[in-house]
Amino acid sequence: NFVLTQPPSVSESPGKTVTISCTRTSGSIVNNYVQWYRQRPGGSPTTVIFEDNERPSGVPDRISASIDSSSNSASLTISGLKTEDEADYYCQSYDSGLWVFGGGTRLTVL
Amino acid sequence: EVQLVESGGDSVQPGGSLRLSCAASGFPFSTYNMNWVRQAPGKGLEWISYISDGGTTYYTDSVQGRFTLSRDNAKKSLYLEMNSLRAEDTAVYFCASLNGVEFDYWGQGTLVTVSS
Repeated sequence: NFVLTQPPSVSESPGKTVTISCTRTSGSIVNNYVQWYRQRPGGSPTTVIFEDNERPSGVPDRISASIDSSSNSASLTISGLKTEDEADYYCQSYDSGLWVFGGGTRLTVL
Repeated sequence: EVQLVESGGDSVQPGGSLRLSCAASGFPFSTYNMNWVRQAPGKGLEWISYISDGGTTYYTDSVQGRFTLSRDNAKKSLYLEMNSLRAEDTAVYFCASLNGVEFDYWGQGTLVTVSS
């Protein structure tokens, strides 16, 4: 079984850019798609990125993601930060009948 | 409009049992793979179980043998039978549909509390 490791928290000022990492501990990050979900306090998760770097309709293009095979990690980048971006963000992937979420990263926009 | 509505959450003693339900509407439920994902208080998301449109199931190790996932396509409903409940099963349980690799729709969750 693999683990997806995220930093517990990140913070940045409005208008700036922040990147959240997601490192896969075993198996290759490129072998299975990575998704990213946003969860606001008291709410259910919603998708911000699917299939490594695809945005669902309604997600602004200031939210993007990438995969880095050399570090076996995925990254979520949010530019032009707004207070509404403040939330918990989770990466997620799959392998052999096992769906795994990262531990989550709390984004604070201060 | 897609809706997933969970029910059945309750407070139960360790060793007890509970049955969660998830009622689906607004999409072709019978053709969708479905899941349960839980979130312990103040913690992250944890996938616990999957059922394919054809009834194939998978479970995370911590619930294997204690939880059973089933579906009734005629009633557009998903069921999670939970036995031998432990304190560490305390969580909000979300029902979520799987569209390819993405958990695309989620319910609002139902709270299960296991405590003596």
